[in-house]
Amino acid sequence: AQSVTQLDSQVPVFEEAPVELRCNYSSSVSVYLFWYVQYPNQGLQLLLKYLSGSTLVKGINGFEAEFNKSQTSFHLRKPSVHISDTAEYFCAVSDAGAMDSNYQLIWGAGTKLIIKP
Amino acid sequence: DGGITQSPKYLFRKEGQNVTLSCEQNLNHDAMYWYRQDPGQGLRLIYYSQIVNDFQKGDIAEGYSVSREKKESFPLTVTSAQKNPTAFYLCASSIQASGHYEQYFGPGTRLTVT
Repeated sequence: AQSVTQLDSQVPVFEEAPVELRCNYSSSVSVYLFWYVQYPNQGLQLLLKYLSGSTLVKGINGFEAEFNKSQTSFHLRKPSVHISDTAEYFCAVSDAGAMDSNYQLIWGAGTKLIIKP
Repeated sequence: DGGITQSPKYLFRKEGQNVTLSCEQNLNHDAMYWYRQDPGQGLRLIYYSQIVNDFQKGDIAEGYSVSREKKESFPLTVTSAQKNPTAFYLCASSIQASGHYEQYFGPGTRLTVT
């Protein structure tokens, strides 16, 4: 069975500072990896995804993530955060090998990014 | 514009009443999902549907029911059997592209039961 662990429930960071949100997964098969963002009282929006190829993935709003297969991690980074990045961030994984059954995503518990002025 | 609509944004009900949450999509997606979100617990899958007239229970289906009579619509009924129905409910849809399913979300409905 697959699982996703987001190691920090909250990450406070000063505006214009860099940030890293950690995500580790457990799976016996190849995976697709996703990061979603949820602004307060809204639905989720896809930030970026890793399907194959380059392990460094760039997304929207200046975010990027690096897939590390040996460490089973997919950490999200931004070099300089803005107050508008205040949101909750979710990491998710799906089975890359079973195209007929990878319609489900396994979700992490989320990390709240708190930007301090 | 293509997208997913959920209505209403906020919903208030008395305990013991059934309530139906609406979810409509015009993305021509085959699969649709209902999630429940509680603080600190991430997203928990209630029901999902891959095609019209077919749906499967997710991790927390007890006290909920769904229907999928049209491709565009996937309403969720929160029944009086659901012990703790107050939560934020998210509907999503997806279509297979490049071997994976990418989920698109609606804006959510916040249900408060007193």
